[in-house]
Parts: sequence; structure tokens; C-alpha cells
Amino acid sequence: GQQVMQIPQYQHVQEGEDFTTYCNSSTTLSNIQWYKQRPGGHPVFLIQLVKSGEVKKQKRLTFQFGEAKKNSSLHITATQTTDVGTYFCAGPKNNDMRFGAGTRLTVKP
Amino acid sequence: DGGITQSPKYLFRKEGQNVTLSCEQNLNHDAMYWYRQDPGQGLRLIYYSQIVNDFQKGDIAEGYSVSREKKESFPLTVTSAQKNPTAFYLCASSISGPGGDTQYFGPGTRLTVL
Repeated sequence: GQQVMQIPQYQHVQEGEDFTTYCNSSTTLSNIQWYKQRPGGHPVFLIQLVKSGEVKKQKRLTFQFGEAKKNSSLHITATQTTDVGTYFCAGPKNNDMRFGAGTRLTVKP
Repeated sequence: DGGITQSPKYLFRKEGQNVTLSCEQNLNHDAMYWYRQDPGQGLRLIYYSQIVNDFQKGDIAEGYSVSREKKESFPLTVTSAQKNPTAFYLCASSISGPGGDTQYFGPGTRLTVL
């Protein structure tokens, strides 16, 4: 069945360094969504990508959807302590969404 | 204010007892979902519902039950058959059922079974 795999599981960076998390699907996705969960909080929607090769930016965050629509990435430039949390990708499967395991980002000031 | 609410935030129960977690939304969303999250883990789908009086099992439905008698409400019962119920439970809703709609999450309920 369709699974959404996400790497790395953990990432620890120094404040100011860049960060990237990758999401891969075994099947073509009609779209992919990204969520952020702060420590102790709940997932919050960040963005949805629909088109092949699509790139979207939100300030220091850059989201990309692969040409084959099977992979996606989230890149954060010059991380800040406010970026701490777990970043999840999610892709549709039948009538629901399936989430990757998430990448937990910690930032050292 | 529109949103999705879960209660209680923290819940303690003795082993062998059934417990029901509340989830209410006033977003007029058709679809609702229940996820389980274990420490350091991702989200695993328990049940979802696309319309009133209909729901489908997710990946880990064993030991859980749900009902969808009203559009606004999707309570989850953790039964005594669930072997390891201690976890963080998240409810979510989306405009419609088919995958692709943004999911809005409630604040979650942390269940601890003693």
C-alpha cells in the first residue's frame, strides 16, 4: 500500500544553520501537505503542493514537490529557535491522509 | 470562534476501564479523524468519518470504537481491549472526506492508563 516515508527522523542544528527534511512516497501523489507540531502542541497546516515540480516559499521556508510527484522537501534557511518542532508531510490515500513519521528539529541557540 | 475542541486535555484511567474522548467542531466540516501519537512517533490513523452515521477503520482500529451521530461530534472510545492505550490522541476535521483537504487538528487529549 501507499506509504509516506520521511527522513531524517531527528535533526539538531545550530541556530543560523539550514535544515532540510525529505518525504518520499511509493506511489504518485495527487498532492502533498506539510504540517508543523510544536513541542506539546498539535499539528498545524503549513502548505499544500499540487503541481509537478512546484516550489512555494513562506519567508525562510521553501517547499518543493518533485517532478514525478512522489517526493517532496521542506528547507528552512538560517534556522531560528522558533523553528523547533516536528515537521510532518502527508499524502492522500483513498479517502484519508497518511502522515510521514515526522522530522524532529531542535535548534541550539 | 470557529475551531475544533477536544476534552479533557489530560485523562487518567485505571486499566480495564473504557474511556470516551470528546471531539467537537463548529467548522461545518464533513470529515473527521482520530489519530494516535506515541512519544517521538508520527500520527497513526485510528478511525475516520466522511459523513454522519458512517465511519471507516484506519490502520490501528483494534480496541477502539467511534460514533458519528452528529456532524459536529466524533467521540472516540478506548476500550479495555486496547492493549497499550496510553498515548496522545488527536482529533482532526477537514471540509470533505477525499484526501487532499487541509486537516485542522484539535489540541489533543493525553490519556494515561494506570
